Amino acid sequence: GENVEQHPSTLSVQEGDSAVIKCTYSDSASNYFPWYKQELGKRPQLIIDIRSNVGEKKDQRIAVTLNKTAKHFSLHITETQPEDSAVYFCAASDGYSSASKIIFGSGTRLSIRP
Amino acid sequence: DTGVSQNPRHKITKRGQNVTFRCDPISEHNRLYWYRQTLGQGPEFLTYFQNEAQLEKSRLLSDRFSAERPKGSFSTLEIQRTEQGDSAMYLCASSLTSDYNEQFFGPGTRLTVL
Repeated sequence: GENVEQHPSTLSVQEGDSAVIKCTYSDSASNYFPWYKQELGKRPQLIIDIRSNVGEKKDQRIAVTLNKTAKHFSLHITETQPEDSAVYFCAASDGYSSASKIIFGSGTRLSIRP
Repeated sequence: DTGVSQNPRHKITKRGQNVTFRCDPISEHNRLYWYRQTLGQGPEFLTYFQNEAQLEKSRLLSDRFSAERPKGSFSTLEIQRTEQGDSAMYLCASSLTSDYNEQFFGPGTRLTVL
């Protein structure tokens, strides 16, 4: 079945620096890759997603890149701020199938040092 | 609040008891998903409905678990004869039927089995 690997599991960066989280997936049929942010005790919230027909997408300080050949995708956060501290999950889905379940990575706990 | 809602938010039960959780999706969403999340892990897919039809169930969903969505609106997840290993956060998500699967999560029900 589909498997999504995520690393690192924890990441600490200085405020203002950049953070990068990397994921790999196993199912070549995957074509939709969302990223969720989960603050302590709260629900996962979609922050950005990318579809397989593009290689990069940017939204203010957040960008995602996708390499379908290598089955890699990454989240980049620039100019990090204290409110970026949270757990980030990458995920993969086969958006065309009727099932369309999302398979999540194990998460990256991001801490921003003041 | 027009987001996904779940009740109860917390449930403490004794081993062997039955529990039932409810999820109310965003009103126009016809897809509804159940996930389970344990501490330090990403959400794991349990089952999925399109309208009232249950289209897929994970191997994680043992015979003690049953989910329904009788009128294609709210859904219930029942766990019979609870075990300590069932302790987790149970998340519900909903989405529109579309080529790509943007899911919106509810706040979850935290189950503790003593």
